[in-house]
Amino acid sequence: SQQGEEDPQALSIQEGENATMNCSYKTSINNLQWYRQNSGRGLVHLILIRSNEREKHSGRLRVTLDTSKKSSSLLITASRAADTASYFCATYTTGGFKTIFGAGTRLFVKA
Amino acid sequence: DTEVTQTPKHLVMGMTNKKSLKCEQHMGHRAMYWYKQKAKKPPELMFVYSYEKLSINESVPSRFSPECPNSSLLNLHLHALQPEDSALYLCASSHPGLAGGPDQETQYFGPGTRLLVL
Repeated sequence: SQQGEEDPQALSIQEGENATMNCSYKTSINNLQWYRQNSGRGLVHLILIRSNEREKHSGRLRVTLDTSKKSSSLLITASRAADTASYFCATYTTGGFKTIFGAGTRLFVKA
Repeated sequence: DTEVTQTPKHLVMGMTNKKSLKCEQHMGHRAMYWYKQKAKKPPELMFVYSYEKLSINESVPSRFSPECPNSSLLNLHLHALQPEDSALYLCASSHPGLAGGPDQETQYFGPGTRLLVL
């Protein structure tokens, strides 16, 4: 199985609701990042959280990191139809060159 | 300028063809990446150049050959591909870490080249 497993695989919510996605990983990391991808296009960086940080905010996004549980969560508050996309976590492993993406969560926000 | 450009946007090629994908960035990034992404799957890292030094994912077949002519350009040469190589190929760039290795700071992705191998 790969570093960066995410759940749920798919999430459907109403506009205005909050969306929470989770990511788990297996090895020590330097940092963890969240990306968004619309319809098979390029990925857009959302937020980076370092291994010594526990929580970070950016606009409607809130990311937490629990290194003891090797997990992270992404919360999108007050979701909009434009938030419909796939969301991936990505970890960079300590001492290596590898960036490993999680399986991703497909979010659908209904207007 | 925070843009990574990729050409072509779409490519259809036969299994005996030789083609190249191109990627360019002008953000002064010294790390550039090639990813392969199949439908409904996450991107998989193929190659990394950091300060023009190559790191390879050992599982990538030799029919894929990367080239970094300078710090702004990245090519992926394709030869004798198979139908299962059909995918979205993404290029990205970032600032490498202080040690010269590709410490993962924010990666900026291009829009990708959608490749179909017949």
